[in-house]
Amino acid sequence: KQEVTQIPAALSVPEGENLVLNCSFTDSAIYNLQWFRQDPGKGLTSLLLIQSSQREQTSGRLNASLDKSSGRSTLYIAASQPGDSATYLCAGPHGSSNTGKLIFGQGTTLQVKP
Amino acid sequence: DTGVSQDPRHKITKRGQNVTFRCDPISEHNRLYWYRQTLGQGPEFLTYFQNEAQLEKSRLLSDRFSAERPKGSFSTLEIQRTEQGDSAMYLCASSGFAGVGSPLHFGNGTRLTVT
Repeated sequence: KQEVTQIPAALSVPEGENLVLNCSFTDSAIYNLQWFRQDPGKGLTSLLLIQSSQREQTSGRLNASLDKSSGRSTLYIAASQPGDSATYLCAGPHGSSNTGKLIFGQGTTLQVKP
Repeated sequence: DTGVSQDPRHKITKRGQNVTFRCDPISEHNRLYWYRQTLGQGPEFLTYFQNEAQLEKSRLLSDRFSAERPKGSFSTLEIQRTEQGDSAMYLCASSGFAGVGSPLHFGNGTRLTVT
């Protein structure tokens, strides 16, 4: 059974700092891994999706990596801004399935201070 | 592409009442998912549809819960005889055919409070 863990639960950094959010998963047969952003009281916004055949994906100041052998993914945020303050969630499909039946971590709540 | 739309945004109901939520997915997406999220937790999978067929249901989906997608477009989630433990954010998501893994697109959710 796939389990997804995110540490730390909360993170506070000053504006401009580069930071890394961590995600670990137990089933290395993961089909892909997706990172989401959630603002308070809102739904989830998809940030990056990494296929199992890929090692990383980039979008603007965001870079996500996937290491299946170690069961880890990281989300790197460069030059953080106050607008990046949100909860970041990672999720992977159940087993080797390619459906959207995802197992989510509990999220890391990021606060970027001006 | 207007995104995934959910209605209502908020629902307050008394224990024992029935409630129904609606989700309109992105029009070209054939897969539709329902998730439930409680405070401080990640979303938990409830059920999903491919077109009008409900392909999987979680053990979380007790017999008081029923979901439909009658014409393969919008979907409804009904909770009968609501309990306080049903209070949560109910999220709907859609995706295109997941041949190579399509990202999920979520709506803003319906927040249910059972008093």
